[in-house]
Amino acid sequence: EDKVVQSPLSLVVHEGDTVTLNCSYEVTNFRSLLWYKQEKKAPTFLFMLTSSGIEKKSGRLSSILDKKELFSILNITATQTGDSAVYLCAVGGGGTSYGKLTFGQGTILTVHP
Amino acid sequence: DAGVIQSPRHEVTEMGQEVTLRCKPISGHDYLFWYRQTMMRGLELLIYFNNNVPIDDSGMPEDRFSAKMPNASFSTLKIQPSEPRDSAVYFCASSLVPGGEQFFGPGTRLTVL
Repeated sequence: EDKVVQSPLSLVVHEGDTVTLNCSYEVTNFRSLLWYKQEKKAPTFLFMLTSSGIEKKSGRLSSILDKKELFSILNITATQTGDSAVYLCAVGGGGTSYGKLTFGQGTILTVHP
Repeated sequence: DAGVIQSPRHEVTEMGQEVTLRCKPISGHDYLFWYRQTMMRGLELLIYFNNNVPIDDSGMPEDRFSAKMPNASFSTLKIQPSEPRDSAVYFCASSLVPGGEQFFGPGTRLTVL
């Protein structure tokens, strides 16, 4: 069975801090790893990673994948209160998991002014 | 495109009643997913369809839950009879490719009294 574990489960920081969120996974025939941000509504897409070592970047957010060690990190620099949300990691696999994503339990990020 | 459309947005019902949740995926997306989200269990995949055919319903909690996709633009998730423990936010999502970005609808918040 595919498995995604995120850490930490929750994190409280102050504006301006840099945070690193972790995602480790076990999946049959890895296809993709995705990061989503969820505020008080539906998850919204941030990044999709398929290749090791290639950083994806969008503004203050960046992410990288290590397929050898089976993990990914999501970095947020110069955090703002608007970054407060649940960050979800998901993996897509093959075999019996083909077509679907397995989500982790999420990291709750709280950014104080 | 309007994105994934779900209805109703909120549903309050009494234990034992039948509940039907509706979803219209993004046009052209061949994959449709039903998720349930609670604080305790996070985001759980209930069932997903490919080209209107159910592929994996192993996440459906019990026989009280059923889902259909009669055509490419419409799906329903039915709970009969409903129970208080079914209270959750139910999300529908669609994707173009397997293991790729899933686009989430706004969700239906279900409360069973």
